[in-house]
Amino acid sequence: QVQLVQSGAEVKKPGTSVKVSCRASGYTFTGYYIHWVRQAPGQGLEWMGWISPNSGNTNYAQKFQGRVTMTRDTSISTAYMELNGLTFDDAAVVYCARRGPVAGQLDYWGQGTLVTVST
Amino acid sequence: QSVMTQPPSASGTPGQRVTISCSGSSSNIGSNTVNWYQQLPGTAPKLLMYSNNHRPSGVPDRFSGSKSGTSASLAISGLQSEDEADYYCAVWDDSLNGLYVFGTGTKVTVL
Repeated sequence: QVQLVQSGAEVKKPGTSVKVSCRASGYTFTGYYIHWVRQAPGQGLEWMGWISPNSGNTNYAQKFQGRVTMTRDTSISTAYMELNGLTFDDAAVVYCARRGPVAGQLDYWGQGTLVTVST
Repeated sequence: QSVMTQPPSASGTPGQRVTISCSGSSSNIGSNTVNWYQQLPGTAPKLLMYSNNHRPSGVPDRFSGSKSGTSASLAISGLQSEDEADYYCAVWDDSLNGLYVFGTGTKVTVL
């Protein structure tokens, strides 16, 4: 069965970086794009960008350009999302999700990684 | 700030029909198919509907979707207590260099 398993919760100081991993199993990792979505406390879903595990190509939401980097390691079927220059506004649950084959839908999601920004 | 607008809340009693709207523009809903996600409290979102009106395996047929012009809607017939959740529409937006956008979200309460 398809599974996306994310790394554990992180506590970071303002100005530092966080790197979240997303390990895929149950399907061919290089066959499906991975998207990253975040959700601030009590807020809605916010799309951050995607990476093609096959080519490594990326596309980021304008809001995060220059501050986010998405990478992958095909040898271990894992995608990564690194966000730099953290501020208190970056406190959120971050999700990875697989883009399905039909209509660009996000058909499988990771369990989420809580990112806390605190002094 | 989302470019797709949903009502912040909707409610109904068990067995009722509830409809959630999603208003977009020609560059998103008007040009592409709409997906819907359900997020139960404290959990990750789950794909509920794709390509406007297709249900993934396992989603009950009391959930239905439609699209007309630059708007879409999700209907829940025979509302059940387990349907209490947040619902988000989502679509690709051609004006934003091929980016994916979520609606503002609707909280459905079962009275």
